[in-house]
Parts: sequence; structure tokens; C-alpha cells
Amino acid sequence: EVQLLESGGGLVQPGGSLRLSCAPSGFTFNSYAMSWVRQAAGKGLEWVSTISGSGGVTFYSDSVKGRFTISRDNQKNTLYLQMNRLRAEDTAVYFCAKWRGTYYYYFDSWGQGTLVTVSS
Amino acid sequence: QSALTQPRSVSGSPGQSVTFSCTGTSSDVGEYNSVSWYQQHPGKAPKVIIYDVNRRPSGVPDRFSGSKSGNTASLTISGLQAEDEADYYCCSYAGNYRLVFGGGTKLTVL
Repeated sequence: EVQLLESGGGLVQPGGSLRLSCAPSGFTFNSYAMSWVRQAAGKGLEWVSTISGSGGVTFYSDSVKGRFTISRDNQKNTLYLQMNRLRAEDTAVYFCAKWRGTYYYYFDSWGQGTLVTVSS
Repeated sequence: QSALTQPRSVSGSPGQSVTFSCTGTSSDVGEYNSVSWYQQHPGKAPKVIIYDVNRRPSGVPDRFSGSKSGNTASLTISGLQAEDEADYYCCSYAGNYRLVFGGGTKLTVL
């Protein structure tokens, strides 16, 4: 059974930094692209970033480009999201999500999410 | 990267059919046959119910069906059940491993 467990969320001041982690299990981690998706309270889902299975290719939404960095350690089986220069509008639950596979452009598994609150 | 357009709410009675619309552009919904739909119950993670416009993952009842015409995708739930009450999000591939979501539609089962 695929499981994704996020951690690292919390309260941070505007301009601060936070690193999220996602620990996967139940599948061969390095074979799949992974993403972070966020959801502000009462709002819709927003794709944030994607990283290829090897970690060599990354993509970001315009809203986080230049501030967030997605990475993965395939030896430690962990996905990361380094968030810098945080803004109030980054407040959201952050989900890690697994891509179905090559040529399948959707998420077949999601974690339960970790809450990031940016406030002074 | 504008969000796809979905109606804020839809309602129906048990046993009825409801249809959700999802409007994008020629750069996302219109360009790719990679529209997916996610069901999200309050406080839970999203769950895929339709992918590639009209394909269902194993375990998803055939009451759920999807279609697409031009820049608009649709999700239909037939034989509505109380447990179908949830938020529904459409999502389209937009190239370069980018995905764009709709704002979500809240389904109320009367």
C-alpha cells in the first residue's frame, strides 16, 4: 500500500523559511515523479512544484518560483520542499503527491498534508 | 497559469444524476487528453476518481464518468448517493509536468 507522510509544517513569520519533508512507502520511490500541492483554508487545490524521479528536473508554479526549492534524496527515500521568503499567502496545507507514472499526468496517491501558517 | 473554471456548487437528490463542468483553455484542457477529477471529503486528502478524461481507477464505481469537448471537461455522477457529498476538483496537464486545478465544486446531496 502506498503511503505518503508529510512533516515539517508549523508557524513561521513573514520572510522566514521552512522545510517540509515527505516520507513515502509502498513503492519504488526513485521511479516516480513527485509534486507538492497546497490548499489554503476553504480554497481550492494549487499545484506548487514537481520533481522528476531522478531529481534532475524540477518545475515550479509562478507563485513560488525563486522562493521555493523542491528536492529529493532517493537514498533516504524522502521528498523535500524548502520554502524561503515566505508570505502570508503561502499559508496552506501542503500535500505531497505521487505521479501515476510516465505518460500518466495525474496523482494517484496523496499524503494527509502538513499545515504551514505564515503570520507575525 | 490561471485556474480552470468550475461552478461553486451543485446539488442533487439521491438517485439523480449531476454534472460538473470544468472550463480551461487551448493550452491545457483543449491541448491535452489528460484531465483528471479528484474527490475530497472535509479534512481528507484528495482522491482521483477520473483520469485521462474518462478513465476510472480500479475501485471507483462506474457511476462516475468523464468527458471532454474542446476546452471544457465534464464529470457526471449518476445514481447519486449520500457519500458522494464532497468537493470535486478538475485538473488538467499543462505541459512540462505542470498541472492546473479548478477552483472546486461543492456537491450537496439533498
